[in-house]
Amino acid sequence: EADIYQTPRYLVIGTGKKITLECSQTMGHDKMYWYQQDPGMELHLIHYSYGVNSTEKGDLSSESTVSRIRTEHFPLTLESARPSHTSQYLCASRWYNEQFFGPGTRLTVL
Amino acid sequence: AQTVTQSQPEMSVQEAETVTLSCTYDTSENNYYLFWYKQPPSRQMILVIRQEAYKQQNATENRFSVNFQKAAKSFSLKISDSQLGDTAMYFCAFTGTSGTYKYIFGTGTRLKVLA
Repeated sequence: EADIYQTPRYLVIGTGKKITLECSQTMGHDKMYWYQQDPGMELHLIHYSYGVNSTEKGDLSSESTVSRIRTEHFPLTLESARPSHTSQYLCASRWYNEQFFGPGTRLTVL
Repeated sequence: AQTVTQSQPEMSVQEAETVTLSCTYDTSENNYYLFWYKQPPSRQMILVIRQEAYKQQNATENRFSVNFQKAAKSFSLKISDSQLGDTAMYFCAFTGTSGTYKYIFGTGTRLKVLA
């Protein structure tokens, strides 16, 4: 069973701030994912990674960026947050064919 | 393109009763994996059950079982003896065995178990 950690769990910030959502996993999984999910709604893939130094954009256009310098760490950055970025962000990793999800970060941009 | 469709946005069931959630999908791949994930209110997404397409036997996990119809591209989830803790969003998901390693999720079914 994988452990996926996301910090912060909740974040309320003002428009224009730069933020980084942290995601880390302890099981050495190569493949990691970021999803955006409005409460009670479907998941939208915004970024994924096959391993160190590999990042790809997902199916939903996003103004965020990601990096993968270490296997266990997959942070997501918003250079200038806007109210339209208000959502929940879920991080996940993959082992064989199963995805393991973190607890999510609920972001509110005022 | 691969798609996953959940046609029931909301469902409710009485405690101890049985409920079936529907999911259909489309793919040209012959081998793939299907999943049901559960997302309780304000809690973490967890895997409920998984089915490998090349296995004809339907997967079961305690009170949860699936009806996998490969030819019809149907993958329904049956919850027996429903409990209040089963109240959650349920997502059907697909991943292939070749290509991008992405997952395709359905739009979800909100299930409420009534006392």
